[in-house]
Amino acid sequence: GAVVSQHPSRVICKSGTSVKIECRSLDFQATTMFWYRQFPKQSLMLMATSNEGSKATYEQGVEKDKFLINHASLTLSTLTVTSAHPEDSSFYICSAIGSPVHHSGANVLTFGAGSRLTVL
Amino acid sequence: LAKTTQPISMDSYEGQEVNITCSHNNIATNDYITWYQQFPSQGPRFIIQGYKTKVTNEVASLFIPADRKSSTLSLPRVSLSDTAVYYCLVGPMNTGFQKLVFGTGTRLLVSP
Repeated sequence: GAVVSQHPSRVICKSGTSVKIECRSLDFQATTMFWYRQFPKQSLMLMATSNEGSKATYEQGVEKDKFLINHASLTLSTLTVTSAHPEDSSFYICSAIGSPVHHSGANVLTFGAGSRLTVL
Repeated sequence: LAKTTQPISMDSYEGQEVNITCSHNNIATNDYITWYQQFPSQGPRFIIQGYKTKVTNEVASLFIPADRKSSTLSLPRVSLSDTAVYYCLVGPMNTGFQKLVFGTGTRLLVSP
């Protein structure tokens, strides 16, 4: 079944530094991955769609120069939060299309475990 | 993209059956209905997916009426560990897959 691995699970950094979060699809290829952001007690907000070998598509209001997305291979997408500030502190979750264990239907969106970013 | 509407929260007790309904009036012909469960500080976990009628797996059932404008996730005999947020997601799941937008979700609290 499809598994999406996300690393690191937690990261604390100082204001002004950059942080990279990796999202890997295990045992399946993901031409498209999605990055979400979630604040406490709120729903997931789609930030961008990451396409292998091409530029990411960002949602309205998401700064592409702030949140750099690279999808250089069919199994890896990275999100780099550049010059992070405290307001960037959030829970970042990636996802990819795959088929989980014991599911024989259509593809589903499979999520990573998330990365908690805290900017001091 | 089909917009979804769910109750913000629900309360239940251990051992009861819980039914969470999601409205998706603008569902398209190619759209599937997928339900996810999310615990705090974790990514959403797939529960069940369906296109029409009824789907059942080892953890839940999904009921979809003929017009597909709504769906109901049924959790049999819930336990305390089922306390979580449940999201209904509607969208196409083919290779031309486009982004999926989450609604508010339903916060389920199961009490002893």
